[in-house]
Amino acid sequence: ETGVTQSPTHLIKTRGQQVTLRCSSQSGHNTVSWYQQALGQGPQFIFQYYREEENGRGNFPPRFSGLQFPNYSSELNVNALELDDSALYLCASSRSVGLSYNEQFFGPGTRLTVL
Amino acid sequence: AQSVTQLDSHVSVSEGTPVLLRCNYSSSYSPSLFWYVQHPNKGLQLLLKYTSAATLVKGINGFEAEFKKSETSFHLTKPSAHMSDAAEYFCVVSPNTGNQFYFGTGTSLTVIP
Repeated sequence: ETGVTQSPTHLIKTRGQQVTLRCSSQSGHNTVSWYQQALGQGPQFIFQYYREEENGRGNFPPRFSGLQFPNYSSELNVNALELDDSALYLCASSRSVGLSYNEQFFGPGTRLTVL
Repeated sequence: AQSVTQLDSHVSVSEGTPVLLRCNYSSSYSPSLFWYVQHPNKGLQLLLKYTSAATLVKGINGFEAEFKKSETSFHLTKPSAHMSDAAEYFCVVSPNTGNQFYFGTGTSLTVIP
C-alpha cells in the first residue's frame, strides 16, 4: 500500500505567477484535503475534494482552486502568487463513506517559496 | 465554531521523565480529536484519535490522551520521554458533522539527554 505522495518537493516562484501542486492519494482513499502550513504555524485547511467535487473550503480566496481526478489524485492551483503564499502545502487523503469521518493521512508536503 | 488552543508553544523535558502537552478545544458539535506529530522534513503522523468511544485513548509510541468534556481538554501524555520523541506536536479537532480539520499552533517538544 503506497502512501500519499506530493510533487514537486520544492518550488520557487515570483510574485504574480501561477503554480500547480500535485498529490496522489493513498490507495483506497477517495477524499483529498489541502492545507497551508506557514513557518511556525499549524496547518490551515484550504479545501477538500470528494468524488471530484469541492466538499468544504476554508478561509482562502478564489485564486486558490483545485481539482480531483477520477483516480482520486488532486491538484492545487494558486494564481497571482503573493509573498504570503510562501509555505508548506500539505495534501491529506482519507477514506470517506458518504460524509462520515475518517482519519486523514498526510503527504510530505511541497515547500513553495514566492520571491 | 471550532478551534484548538495548545497552551504551550515549547516544552522541554529530560529523557526518561513524563511528557504533558496541553490542548483545549472549542466545538459546536460533538467532535473528533486527534494528536499528530511532525518530525523535521517528514509528513504529519497520527499519534492517536478520539471519536466518542473510550475517553482514555492509547496511541503509538507509548502516548495516550484523555478526553475531558467538562474541561474541553484533550491533553497528550507519555510516562517516559525518549530522545526520538523530540518533534512538533499538533492537536486537531474535527466536527463529526463535517470534514474539516482544525489544527492548533503546535507544541515543540525538546528532550534533554
